[in-house]
Amino acid sequence: DQQVKQNSPSLSVQEGRISILNCDYTNSMFDYFLWYKKYPAEGPTFLISISSIKDKNEDGRFTVFLNKSAKHLSLHIVPSQPGDSAVYFCAAISSGNTGKLIFGQGTTLQVKP
Amino acid sequence: DAGVIQSPRHEVTEMGQEVTLRCKPISGHNSLFWYRQTMMRGLELLIYFNNNVPIDDSGMPEDRFSAKMPNASFSTLKIQPSEPRDSAVYFCASSLALRVGYGYTFGSGTRLTVV
Repeated sequence: DQQVKQNSPSLSVQEGRISILNCDYTNSMFDYFLWYKKYPAEGPTFLISISSIKDKNEDGRFTVFLNKSAKHLSLHIVPSQPGDSAVYFCAAISSGNTGKLIFGQGTTLQVKP
Repeated sequence: DAGVIQSPRHEVTEMGQEVTLRCKPISGHNSLFWYRQTMMRGLELLIYFNNNVPIDDSGMPEDRFSAKMPNASFSTLKIQPSEPRDSAVYFCASSLALRVGYGYTFGSGTRLTVV
């Protein structure tokens, strides 16, 4: 039972263009959504989050969009840089008693110079 | 702050042997999580603790897996006996439970290979 799904295992974009990473979820009780970035041989690092009461959150080159009716969120990176090449994990959490972060399978982004 | 510290970084063991993975969370964090990363399932939550108490171990795959948190600064994940299908990268993470929007801080992981 995969509550958070990232259906694209990989994505390749040209430097300077936009990268769009997608994520779908099934649990309507989630109230925070997060994106993590992971380089090889390192642990995932927090990138950006969005509360379920918002539909957009922006931090520099990174913007996360949330469509609650579609149970879909996306991460936009503009402009993409070679250093953005990493695995990106979508995650969701319900801040109730359980409080556990549920991750998707990850999408490997490659930004070509 | 040194971050979340995991040891060892790499572990190679033979099938049937006991394996113990260790984690030191960030000082002051009151929640600790053990995850396993595989290609098929991504980051899979195994167990998590709040104030040193196990809250949810529904992700622990089998009785061969056990986890403890004897104090606020140390946790172990033990596999006994280990099997080749346990080969994966195991991550420990910690957080302040009330700051859910800021996510967790992960360690660098332990790459376990069972031969």
